[in-house]
Amino acid sequence: DARVTQTPRDKVTEMGQEVTMRCQPILGHNTVFWYRQTMMQGLELLAYFRNRAPLDDSGMPKDRFSAEMPDATLATLKIQPSEPRDSAVYFCASGFGGLETQYFGPGTRLLVL
Amino acid sequence: GENVEQHPSTLSVQEGDSAVIKCTYSDSASNYFPWYKQELGKGPQLIIDIRSNVGEKKDQRIAVTLNKTAKHFSLHITETQPEDSAVYFCAASKTDKLIFGTGTRLQVFP
Repeated sequence: DARVTQTPRDKVTEMGQEVTMRCQPILGHNTVFWYRQTMMQGLELLAYFRNRAPLDDSGMPKDRFSAEMPDATLATLKIQPSEPRDSAVYFCASGFGGLETQYFGPGTRLLVL
Repeated sequence: GENVEQHPSTLSVQEGDSAVIKCTYSDSASNYFPWYKQELGKGPQLIIDIRSNVGEKKDQRIAVTLNKTAKHFSLHITETQPEDSAVYFCAASKTDKLIFGTGTRLQVFP
């Protein structure tokens, strides 16, 4: 049963600290998405990659957020420095090609104090 | 850009009754409409999707209908069960980017 995996599942940190979240997409999928979910904003797309190349990161605050795909099996989302307003659940999803099903991971619940 | 509105925000039904959730979208070029179910502490899971060349799709107790002219689509769950209780999200897309509705919290009471 292929699944998207994310680590860590929970992260509590203090304001100003660096946070790195990791995602392993489903093997064979070539598109990876990062979403943020909050009560106020719902599900927001932060960035996505195809074949490891960034296609769109317009939803991401560029001054503190960065997303990369070091290889086809790993995507990372980094926040530096973190702020309390970054507290949210961050989801990674993967799919194959355009207009295809996106499969979500379990999420990383981030709390910035 | 695309905007997706979803109603109602909460829905309570008795076990065995039907539940209907409705979404409208703004971009007539959108052609892919998935529905996701999110249980507490988990990521959204796709339950059914429909493409713009199809008016209706069914999968056991779940069905989705699409009205392209009116730019709205609906999720129908029949014979609801307590395990259907979750938050449901609709989404619309014409490219890779899914635009999500705000979610409907469905509670099914035994």
